[in-house]
Amino acid sequence: QVHLVESGGGVVQPGRSLRLSCAASGFSISTSIMHWVRQAPDKGLEWVTAVSLINGVTLYTDSVMGRFTISSDIPSNTLSLQMNSLRPEDTGLYYCAREGHSSGRAPAFDQWGRGTLVTVSS
Amino acid sequence: DIQMTQSPSTLSAFIGDRVTITCRASQSINNWVAWYQQKPGRAPNLLILKASSLQTGVPSRFSGSASGTEFTLTISSLQPDDFATYYCQQYDSYTPTFGQGTQVEVK
Repeated sequence: QVHLVESGGGVVQPGRSLRLSCAASGFSISTSIMHWVRQAPDKGLEWVTAVSLINGVTLYTDSVMGRFTISSDIPSNTLSLQMNSLRPEDTGLYYCAREGHSSGRAPAFDQWGRGTLVTVSS
Repeated sequence: DIQMTQSPSTLSAFIGDRVTITCRASQSINNWVAWYQQKPGRAPNLLILKASSLQTGVPSRFSGSASGTEFTLTISSLQPDDFATYYCQQYDSYTPTFGQGTQVEVK
């Protein structure tokens, strides 16, 4: 059975850093494209970043470019998100998701974790 | 980015009601729409792909349809397990975007 479990969230001051992890089980991330999607309080879902474990390509939404870095550790089957220079607008629930389907341009997600909460506040 | 305008934001219904949720895309997206169900504290669950393709294991009371840039999720007879928040998502453009969600509540 496929599971994704996020961890690493917490309360952090603006300008500081945080590292999120996503432990995958029931499949190997080495043959997947993995994503982070976030949800600000009382707002909709927002795609943040993706990594293809097949060819190494990474993508980021404009607002996190240069501040966030997505990475993976194949032996531990874990996805990570290093978040630097955090801003209050980065506050939200961060989900790890597996790309299960694609139009050839963009993904739909067939597996999600329950999320980890990041709060950026002074 | 393509905008997905989802309505209503909240829907109150009785068990057994027919429920319809709508998403309108800001441009043509070639029916590349997914629908998800999310219950409090749980991971989102994929219900439908390509506007109308029901995923394995999803009850047949759920269905999706499309007309131009308008997409509809229908629950033919609302069951207790269906009270949740539903999201649409377009995956036509290089940046996937989501609707704001519809919370289906008990009336």
